[in-house]
Amino acid sequence: SQTIHQWPATLVQPVGSPLSLECTVEGTSNPNLYWYRQAAGRGLQLLFYSVGIGQISSEVPQNLSASRPQDRQFILSSKKLLLSDSGFYLCAWTPGAQETQYFGPGTRLLVL
Amino acid sequence: QKEVEQDPGPLSVPEGAIVSLNCTYSNSAFQYFMWYRQYSRKGPELLMYTYSSGNKEDGRFTAQVDKSSKYISLFIRDSQPSDSATYLCAMSVVNAGNMLTFGGGTRLMVKP
Repeated sequence: SQTIHQWPATLVQPVGSPLSLECTVEGTSNPNLYWYRQAAGRGLQLLFYSVGIGQISSEVPQNLSASRPQDRQFILSSKKLLLSDSGFYLCAWTPGAQETQYFGPGTRLLVL
Repeated sequence: QKEVEQDPGPLSVPEGAIVSLNCTYSNSAFQYFMWYRQYSRKGPELLMYTYSSGNKEDGRFTAQVDKSSKYISLFIRDSQPSDSATYLCAMSVVNAGNMLTFGGGTRLMVKP
């Protein structure tokens, strides 16, 4: 069966520090991968999606970037965090032929 | 106007009640409709998935799609305190790269 992992689960970082969040999927190959951000009490905002290694599409211009170095690994990064980057970051995956997305457990980021 | 509208709640009901959660949408091209359940500080979990119009039942949950009215519903029978969560609707267009459009979520509280 397929599983999706995210780490770390919780992160507290100072403003201006770098960020690296990791997402990995097990039990599937060539998934579509997605990064979302969910601000407190608000809906999901799609940040990046990837249909293959090295293929990244950005939905929202900001100081975040994403990379997909391996088929089942998706990384969200920032060189300098802003206060507004605080939120709940969710990784999701979908088998290529299906419309549904399956979410990971999320990373809670607090920028102080 | 948002593409997908969902009453944020909170919706408070007594245990055992029938719950009706709803979303309206504006894009008539949406063909796939999903409901996710999200517990506090957790990733969304796929509950129901339907294609086009009609009803789908799974245990205590029934998903209903009315494309003519651009309206979808999730019914929960015999609601339990464990159903207390935020419910997100999501929908997508066929062959659009598995991209989902989410509602903002409805927070449900089932009181014992």
